[in-house]
Amino acid sequence: DIQMTQSPSTLSASVGDRIIITCRASQSISSWLAWYQQKPGRAPKLLIYKASSLESGVPSRFSGSASGTEFTLTISSLQPDDFATYYCQQYNGYPWTFGQGTKVEIK
Amino acid sequence: QITLKESGPTLVKPTQTLMLTCAFSGFSLSTNGVGVGWIRQPPGKALEWLAVIHWNDVKYVSPSLGSRLTITKDTSKNQVVLTMTNMDPVDTATYYCARRLVGSGFDNWGQGTLVTVSS
Repeated sequence: DIQMTQSPSTLSASVGDRIIITCRASQSISSWLAWYQQKPGRAPKLLIYKASSLESGVPSRFSGSASGTEFTLTISSLQPDDFATYYCQQYNGYPWTFGQGTKVEIK
Repeated sequence: QITLKESGPTLVKPTQTLMLTCAFSGFSLSTNGVGVGWIRQPPGKALEWLAVIHWNDVKYVSPSLGSRLTITKDTSKNQVVLTMTNMDPVDTATYYCARRLVGSGFDNWGQGTLVTVSS
């Protein structure tokens, strides 16, 4: 199985901050990576697919990038609505796998 | 508008079989490139992919659950069914179904259904 390792597990930040979440794959997954946002009691929401493609309707402050097996999700200016848990998911090879999540908290 | 909704029992006993139905609208599972998958999330824990079935009936299930899992589709009813045998308390989780398009992640999700395994 391809392991997806996210860091950090928890991130404390303030409104307006630029934050970066990292996801590292245990082997090459090309660009077949998605990022999701999940709020308590809600289903995940797709933010980014194919490593850097912004899902329709998602604010442009969200962006994704890739370098080899390391992927990043950047929020350029954190908004109150962005405090949530974020997951990466690879869909290059089966079984598809998710990272363990990064919780973004209010500092 | 695309919607998905999971239905099934909220409480099952250990060793029983769980059958969950995902009823969807706004898209067709006979359209090239479309798939529907199942993902679960134990309380307070991370997401876990379970299975996916595609428009061409190609399907994959998580090898960690192996023969316990079956996924089928009924294109005429716009439904996907997940069956999980020999349920155990560790299978207690919120189960989600979600749509995906080839090349993308899961772009539309159901609200999820909490399944508790307890005697």
